[in-house]
Amino acid sequence: DAGVIQSPRHEVTEMGQEVTLRCKPISGHNSLFWYRQTMMRGLELLIYFNNNVPIDDSGMPEDRFSAKMPNASFSTLKIQPSEPRDSAVYFCASSLEHRDYGYTFGSGTRLTVV
Amino acid sequence: GENVEQHPSTLSVQEGDSAVIKCTYSDSASNYFPWYKQELGKGPQLIIDIRSNVGEKKDQRIAVTLNKTAKHFSLHITETQPEDSAVYFCAARYDGNEKLTFGTGTRLTIIP
Repeated sequence: DAGVIQSPRHEVTEMGQEVTLRCKPISGHNSLFWYRQTMMRGLELLIYFNNNVPIDDSGMPEDRFSAKMPNASFSTLKIQPSEPRDSAVYFCASSLEHRDYGYTFGSGTRLTVV
Repeated sequence: GENVEQHPSTLSVQEGDSAVIKCTYSDSASNYFPWYKQELGKGPQLIIDIRSNVGEKKDQRIAVTLNKTAKHFSLHITETQPEDSAVYFCAARYDGNEKLTFGTGTRLTIIP
Protein backbone atom coordinates (compact mmCIF):
# COMPACT_ATOMS: atom_id res chain seq x y z
CA ASP A 1 0.00 0.00 0.00
CA ALA A 2 1.29 3.49 -0.79
CA GLY A 3 0.14 4.82 2.54
CA VAL A 4 -1.80 8.04 3.06
CA ILE A 5 -1.15 10.36 0.15
CA GLN A 6 -1.38 14.10 0.50
CA SER A 7 -1.03 16.79 -2.12
CA PRO A 8 0.48 19.20 -2.63
CA ARG A 9 3.56 18.79 -0.42
CA HIS A 10 4.13 22.52 -0.35
CA GLU A 11 1.78 25.39 -1.06
CA VAL A 12 2.58 29.08 -1.05
CA THR A 13 -0.33 31.40 -1.58
CA GLU A 14 -1.24 35.01 -1.11
CA MET A 15 -3.55 36.17 1.63
CA GLY A 16 -7.16 36.07 0.51
CA GLN A 17 -6.70 33.22 -1.95
CA GLU A 18 -8.49 29.91 -1.75
CA VAL A 19 -6.40 26.89 -0.82
CA THR A 20 -7.40 23.26 -1.27
CA LEU A 21 -5.49 20.43 0.34
CA ARG A 22 -6.08 16.85 -0.76
CA CYS A 23 -5.84 13.47 0.88
CA LYS A 24 -6.16 9.88 -0.23
CA PRO A 25 -6.47 7.52 2.76
CA ILE A 26 -5.26 3.94 2.90
CA SER A 27 -7.60 1.65 1.03
CA GLY A 28 -9.98 -0.05 3.45
CA HIS A 29 -9.56 2.51 6.23
CA ASN A 30 -12.88 4.05 7.21
CA SER A 31 -11.80 6.87 9.51
CA LEU A 32 -10.02 9.98 8.25
CA PHE A 33 -8.56 12.83 10.27
CA TRP A 34 -7.25 16.28 9.40
CA TYR A 35 -4.63 17.75 11.74
CA ARG A 36 -2.81 21.05 11.79
CA GLN A 37 0.68 21.30 13.29
CA THR A 38 2.34 24.50 14.45
CA MET A 39 5.17 25.20 16.85
CA MET A 40 2.86 27.10 19.17
CA ARG A 41 -0.10 24.73 19.27
CA GLY A 42 1.36 21.35 18.38
CA LEU A 43 -0.94 18.82 16.71
CA GLU A 44 -4.53 20.04 16.56
CA LEU A 45 -7.37 17.87 15.32
CA LEU A 46 -9.47 19.90 12.90
CA ILE A 47 -12.09 17.37 11.82
CA TYR A 48 -12.60 13.68 11.45
CA PHE A 49 -14.79 11.51 9.26
CA ASN A 50 -16.09 8.02 9.79
CA ASN A 51 -17.46 6.18 6.76
CA ASN A 52 -17.28 9.48 4.84
CA VAL A 53 -19.50 11.28 7.36
CA PRO A 54 -18.10 14.20 9.41
CA ILE A 55 -18.26 13.15 13.05
CA ASP A 56 -16.49 15.93 14.90
CA ASP A 57 -15.58 19.29 13.41
CA SER A 58 -15.17 21.13 16.69
CA GLY A 59 -11.54 21.80 15.91
CA MET A 60 -12.21 23.69 12.69
CA PRO A 61 -11.00 27.20 13.48
CA GLU A 62 -13.73 29.18 11.79
CA ASP A 63 -16.02 29.35 8.83
CA ARG A 64 -13.12 29.91 6.49
CA PHE A 65 -12.25 26.23 6.87
CA SER A 66 -14.31 23.47 5.32
CA ALA A 67 -13.71 19.78 4.68
CA LYS A 68 -15.38 17.20 2.53
CA MET A 69 -15.13 13.50 1.96
CA PRO A 70 -17.17 12.68 -1.15
CA ASN A 71 -16.07 9.04 -1.16
CA ALA A 72 -13.98 6.56 0.78
CA SER A 73 -10.80 7.34 -1.15
CA PHE A 74 -10.66 11.13 -1.18
CA SER A 75 -10.95 14.10 1.13
CA THR A 76 -10.30 17.81 0.81
CA LEU A 77 -9.64 20.59 3.28
CA LYS A 78 -10.37 24.04 1.93
CA ILE A 79 -9.45 27.43 3.33
CA GLN A 80 -11.21 30.42 1.84
CA PRO A 81 -10.05 33.13 2.22
CA SER A 82 -6.61 32.20 3.51
CA GLU A 83 -4.78 34.29 6.09
CA PRO A 84 -1.11 34.37 7.19
CA ARG A 85 -2.04 32.76 10.52
CA ASP A 86 -3.18 29.68 8.60
CA SER A 87 0.46 28.95 7.78
CA ALA A 88 1.19 25.50 9.19
CA VAL A 89 1.73 21.89 8.23
CA TYR A 90 -1.54 20.09 7.60
CA PHE A 91 -1.63 16.34 8.06
CA CYS A 92 -4.18 13.83 6.98
CA ALA A 93 -4.35 10.47 8.77
CA SER A 94 -6.50 7.40 8.36
CA SER A 95 -7.36 4.38 10.45
CA LEU A 96 -9.59 1.34 10.54
CA GLU A 97 -12.30 1.82 13.12
CA HIS A 98 -11.98 -0.26 16.27
CA ARG A 99 -8.49 -1.47 15.39
CA ASP A 100 -5.69 -0.70 17.78
CA TYR A 101 -2.90 0.19 15.50
CA GLY A 102 -3.41 3.92 15.72
CA TYR A 103 -3.38 6.22 12.79
CA THR A 104 -1.29 6.25 9.65
CA PHE A 105 -0.28 9.78 8.80
CA GLY A 106 0.50 11.26 5.42
CA SER A 107 3.62 13.29 4.79
CA GLY A 108 1.74 16.56 5.23
CA THR A 109 1.22 19.76 3.27
CA ARG A 110 3.30 22.74 4.31
CA LEU A 111 1.14 25.80 3.74
CA THR A 112 2.60 29.28 3.67
CA VAL A 113 0.25 32.24 3.32
CA VAL A 114 2.03 35.49 2.51
CA GLY B 1 -12.44 15.72 27.36
CA GLU B 2 -9.11 13.99 27.54
CA ASN B 3 -5.99 16.00 28.31
CA VAL B 4 -2.49 14.58 27.77
CA GLU B 5 0.58 16.25 29.23
CA GLN B 6 4.07 15.31 28.04
CA HIS B 7 7.48 15.97 29.56
CA PRO B 8 10.14 17.00 28.90
CA SER B 9 9.68 19.20 25.86
CA THR B 10 13.32 18.74 24.88
CA LEU B 11 15.79 16.02 25.82
CA SER B 12 19.43 15.53 24.91
CA VAL B 13 21.26 12.31 25.68
CA GLN B 14 24.63 10.88 24.82
CA GLU B 15 24.65 8.17 22.21
CA GLY B 16 24.35 4.81 23.92
CA ASP B 17 22.55 6.17 26.97
CA SER B 18 18.84 5.71 27.69
CA ALA B 19 16.05 8.23 27.14
CA VAL B 20 12.75 8.40 29.00
CA ILE B 21 9.73 10.47 28.02
CA LYS B 22 6.72 10.71 30.31
CA CYS B 23 3.04 11.42 29.73
CA THR B 24 0.03 11.79 31.99
CA TYR B 25 -3.60 11.59 30.97
CA SER B 26 -6.75 12.84 32.64
CA ASP B 27 -9.57 10.53 31.51
CA SER B 28 -9.59 7.27 33.43
CA ALA B 29 -11.64 5.72 30.62
CA SER B 30 -8.68 5.94 28.23
CA ASN B 31 -7.35 2.50 27.47
CA TYR B 32 -5.17 2.78 24.37
CA PHE B 33 -1.84 4.63 24.37
CA PRO B 34 0.26 4.89 21.21
CA TRP B 35 3.60 6.60 20.72
CA TYR B 36 4.59 8.35 17.50
CA LYS B 37 7.98 9.39 16.13
CA GLN B 38 8.17 12.34 13.78
CA GLU B 39 11.30 12.90 11.75
CA LEU B 40 12.03 16.17 10.04
CA GLY B 41 9.75 16.80 7.09
CA LYS B 42 7.65 13.70 7.69
CA GLY B 43 4.39 12.80 9.30
CA PRO B 44 4.25 11.12 12.72
CA GLN B 45 4.82 7.37 12.57
CA LEU B 46 3.51 4.86 15.09
CA ILE B 47 6.40 3.13 16.87
CA ILE B 48 4.78 1.32 19.77
CA ASP B 49 1.47 1.20 21.61
CA ILE B 50 -0.02 -0.30 24.74
CA ARG B 51 -3.47 -1.12 26.00
CA SER B 52 -4.53 -0.69 29.59
CA ASN B 53 -4.70 -4.40 30.29
CA VAL B 54 -0.90 -4.66 30.29
CA GLY B 55 1.71 -2.78 32.26
CA GLU B 56 4.66 -2.97 29.89
CA LYS B 57 5.44 -3.70 26.27
CA LYS B 58 8.81 -3.99 24.58
CA ASP B 59 9.99 -3.93 21.00
CA GLN B 60 13.75 -4.24 20.68
CA ARG B 61 15.25 -1.03 22.09
CA ILE B 62 11.97 0.69 22.89
CA ALA B 63 9.52 -0.04 25.65
CA VAL B 64 6.41 1.56 27.05
CA THR B 65 5.19 1.30 30.63
CA LEU B 66 1.73 2.15 31.92
CA ASN B 67 0.54 2.96 35.42
CA LYS B 68 -3.25 3.05 35.33
CA THR B 69 -3.61 4.09 38.94
CA ALA B 70 -1.43 7.13 38.50
CA LYS B 71 -2.66 7.68 34.93
CA HIS B 72 0.76 7.97 33.42
CA PHE B 73 2.76 6.15 30.80
CA SER B 74 6.33 6.40 29.64
CA LEU B 75 8.49 5.67 26.60
CA HIS B 76 11.91 4.18 27.22
CA ILE B 77 14.60 4.04 24.55
CA THR B 78 17.75 2.13 25.43
CA GLU B 79 21.14 2.19 23.71
CA THR B 80 20.19 5.35 21.86
CA GLN B 81 21.50 5.93 18.36
CA PRO B 82 21.71 9.06 16.17
CA GLU B 83 18.71 7.91 14.15
CA ASP B 84 16.59 8.10 17.30
CA SER B 85 16.79 11.90 17.08
CA ALA B 86 13.25 13.08 16.33
CA VAL B 87 10.14 14.49 17.95
CA TYR B 88 8.13 11.95 19.93
CA PHE B 89 4.42 12.25 20.70
CA CYS B 90 2.33 10.29 23.14
CA ALA B 91 -1.42 9.96 22.73
CA ALA B 92 -4.48 8.47 24.41
CA ARG B 93 -8.01 7.42 23.60
CA TYR B 94 -10.76 5.12 24.88
CA ASP B 95 -12.74 2.39 23.17
CA GLY B 96 -15.53 3.73 21.02
CA ASN B 97 -13.77 7.03 20.50
CA GLU B 98 -11.76 7.28 17.30
CA LYS B 99 -10.11 10.53 18.35
CA LEU B 100 -6.58 10.42 19.67
CA THR B 101 -5.55 13.17 22.05
CA PHE B 102 -1.87 13.97 21.56
CA GLY B 103 0.73 15.28 23.95
CA THR B 104 2.74 18.36 23.03
CA GLY B 105 5.80 16.43 21.87
CA THR B 106 9.39 15.87 23.01
CA ARG B 107 12.31 16.81 20.81
CA LEU B 108 14.95 14.15 21.43
CA THR B 109 18.51 14.84 20.36
CA ILE B 110 21.15 12.13 20.49
CA ILE B 111 24.63 13.54 20.94
CA PRO B 112 27.29 11.48 19.11
